[in-house]
Amino acid sequence: DAGITQSPRHKVTETGTPVTLRCHQTENHRYMYWYRQDPGHGLRLIHYSYGVKDTDKGEVSDGYSVSRSKTEDFLLTLESATSSQTSVYFCAISTRSSYNSPLHFGNGTRLTVT
Amino acid sequence: AQSVTQLGSHVSVSEGALVLLRCNYSSSVPPYLFWYVQYPNQGLQLLLKYTTGATLVKGINGFEAEFKKSETSFHLTKPSAHMSDAAEYFCAVSVEGDSGTYKYIFGTGTRLKVLA
Repeated sequence: DAGITQSPRHKVTETGTPVTLRCHQTENHRYMYWYRQDPGHGLRLIHYSYGVKDTDKGEVSDGYSVSRSKTEDFLLTLESATSSQTSVYFCAISTRSSYNSPLHFGNGTRLTVT
Repeated sequence: AQSVTQLGSHVSVSEGALVLLRCNYSSSVPPYLFWYVQYPNQGLQLLLKYTTGATLVKGINGFEAEFKKSETSFHLTKPSAHMSDAAEYFCAVSVEGDSGTYKYIFGTGTRLKVLA
């Protein structure tokens, strides 16, 4: 168990409102990732982090920002939510800093933007 | 750019039959490949991974996958399907990001249905 907690697990929000999703890990792993999962698209990388204050964009980063002020927390913010951001969001961590390390996933946050 | 393609978004097999889920990758360097499984309302779990060495990789729950460089494939198989294998399966490849970092690219997934 990699000790990953995502909060909230479910959220309904209105278009135009800001939303922040939190990913918390109980161990000091360096790499953390945010993905969104949509039918027909699989998992798509939004942003990832390779250390405190070190982040980079993924393939679908528009409309999202992230912050990592301490090792254990990786926050994903939708500055102004849109209906196209309705999705299931997964946080993942890599327990080793190498290419062959698998990802460990949280249980996801289901976000609905009305 | 490195990527993975999963052929077949839905696959149905009878209980006890062979399971074959297809994954092809595109990579200019030797890839690191993974298969994950997702059960309803859960996150993804690692089934198996290929890094280097033996091309036939065994994973959990009786699954295995064979890395074939000449075919750029990493298909997932299981000799005999069980009802509990019904889930969605994802193939993934790790790629180099900027500044020496690395990230993971996933296929679009294959939903496996097992018929009684």
